[in-house]
Amino acid sequence: EVQLLESGGGLVQPGGSLRLSCAASGFTFGSYAMSWVRQTPGKGLEWVSAVSGSGGSAYYAVAVKGRFTISKDKSGSTLYLQMTSLTVEDTALYYCAKDSQRTVTANFDFWGQGTLVTVSP
Amino acid sequence: DMQMTQSPSSLSASIGDRVTITCRASQPISTYLNWYQQKPGKAPKLLIYAASTLQSGVPSRFSGSGSGTDFTLTISSLQPEDFATYYCQQSYSIPQITFGQGTRLDIK
Repeated sequence: EVQLLESGGGLVQPGGSLRLSCAASGFTFGSYAMSWVRQTPGKGLEWVSAVSGSGGSAYYAVAVKGRFTISKDKSGSTLYLQMTSLTVEDTALYYCAKDSQRTVTANFDFWGQGTLVTVSP
Repeated sequence: DMQMTQSPSSLSASIGDRVTITCRASQPISTYLNWYQQKPGKAPKLLIYAASTLQSGVPSRFSGSGSGTDFTLTISSLQPEDFATYYCQQSYSIPQITFGQGTRLDIK
């Protein structure tokens, strides 16, 4: 059974940093691309970042490029999202999502339950 | 940027009704269109990918159609567990992946 368990969310001040983790199990982690998708009541679902199965290719939404870094720890089957220079606009529930292919196709066939990030003074 | 516009934003329907939700892309996206279902407090669930292919385990009362800019999600006979919010998502302009704003389906 595929399971994705996010952690690392919390309250942080504007300008601060946070690292999210997503522990994956039930599938061959290195064979699938992964993404982070965030959700807010106002903006709905917003794709944030993706990484290929090998970890060799990473992609970012314009809103987070240069501030966020996605990575995969294949030995530990964990996906990370390092977030820096956080703003109130980054406040959201962050989901990790499994892609259906090794390359990024954005067909998200499994999702975690999310971790909440709140950026506030 | 690729914009995805869903209509209606919300609708009320009864058990057994046939329901159709529409998604329009701001540019042609072939059939690179997915549909998700989200229930309160839960993560989205993939229903349909590539515009019309049913994800494994999804009931056959769900169907999708369309290509280019106009797409539809149809539920042939609403069941109690279908009341949720539905999102379309384009996977054409990777990596700039975008979702529609959602359609909330309520019980009439």
